[in-house]
Order: sequence, then C-alpha cells, then structure tokens
Amino acid sequence: NAGVTQTPKFRVLKTGQSMTLLCAQDMNHEYMYWYRQDPGMGLRLIHYSVGEGTTAKGEVPDGYNVSRLKKQNFLLGLESAAPSQTSVYFCASELAGGPVGELFFGEGSRLTVL
Amino acid sequence: AQRVTQPEKLLSVFKGAPVELKCNYSYSGSPELFWYVQYSRQRLQLLLRHISRESIKGFTADLNKGETSFHLKKPFAQEEDSAMYYCALRDNDMRFGAGTRLTVKP
Repeated sequence: NAGVTQTPKFRVLKTGQSMTLLCAQDMNHEYMYWYRQDPGMGLRLIHYSVGEGTTAKGEVPDGYNVSRLKKQNFLLGLESAAPSQTSVYFCASELAGGPVGELFFGEGSRLTVL
Repeated sequence: AQRVTQPEKLLSVFKGAPVELKCNYSYSGSPELFWYVQYSRQRLQLLLRHISRESIKGFTADLNKGETSFHLKKPFAQEEDSAMYYCALRDNDMRFGAGTRLTVKP
C-alpha cells in the first residue's frame, strides 16, 4: 500500500517547455487535489477532482490543466512552463464520506523553470 | 470563497513554554476547520479537526465563531513539535493558510 505517489520528484524545465506531473493513489479515494507550495504563501489549490472524469478550478488554476481519466490517477499539465511556476507541487487524495477533512499527501514534486 | 489567515510565518519558543499558533478564517457558513502538520522530511498530515474536539500530541484547538479564529495551543512545547503547521478550511475543496514554522528551542 503505497498511498499517494507523485512522479517525477524533481524536474528542471526551460521556459516554454511542457510537462506532466502524475499523481497515483491506491486507496480508492474519490477526491484528489493538486496544490503548489511557495515560501510565505503556503499551500494554494490549483485544481481538484471529486471523481473520475470531473475536474474543477481552485485558487490558482491559470497555466495548468488537469485530467482524471482514471479514478486512481490525477495528472497536472503545464503546457508552456514559466519561471513563476517554479514551486513544489503536492498531490492529495481524500475518501468521500470518510473521516472529515483527512487528506493524504504525496511527497511532493520540485519543479524548477529556468 | 473561504479564506484562512495565519499571521505568523515564524514562531520560536523554548521547550516547556506554552505555544499558540494563530489562525483566522473568513467563511459565510459553519466552517469545518483543521490543523495539518509537516515535520521535517515527512509528508503533510492531519493533526486535528475542530469537529472532533480532540487533543492530539497535547495540542488542542477551539473554534471561536465570534472572533472567527481557530488557534492551535499546547501548554508545554516539546522539541519534537518543531514543524510547519497549516490551518485549513473545508468547503467544496480544502484551502490552506500560509503556514507557521514553529521552532522549539532546548
């Protein structure tokens, strides 16, 4: 039981390049989230999903796209990376109807955009 | 939309001293509030929920609707409490504050 797994853990991109971060969970959770963590700004919600095939925007969705084609996976895409997207990205999952507010987090993915 | 404010980025106390990490929120309904903690080299994890009225690792948090606050308290801090603490509020999604880094000095 791996919980929430994020890949890759580290990535360096050049401005304008694209990439996809993968989040996989093996707990059969319905809800999944993508956050970015920046110094002094805490965790900010990018996008989230309440079930397979559904996604919604969070606080800072611009420049990102997501897909939830399978229940266990939640992908975060950057179509044209910008230096402002340099951050640590965290994925989390939550069981619908489970203990209220208990999110399970991945270890984070550190992205640097040059 | 809901908003969570943690006014202190850094907090430093000595071992055995009381500690209070502040959290204020903005929300139109009845809030569901939480404290999460991230210890060094560990994943972010849930510490406690306001609805449970629980004490975890000696920490408690009381919801004060009049002051729209949910401060985290511990009467006697320990060195192992040093970590990053986030207050969070649940609506359709989960929103976090900016976090407070607590350092407990020996």
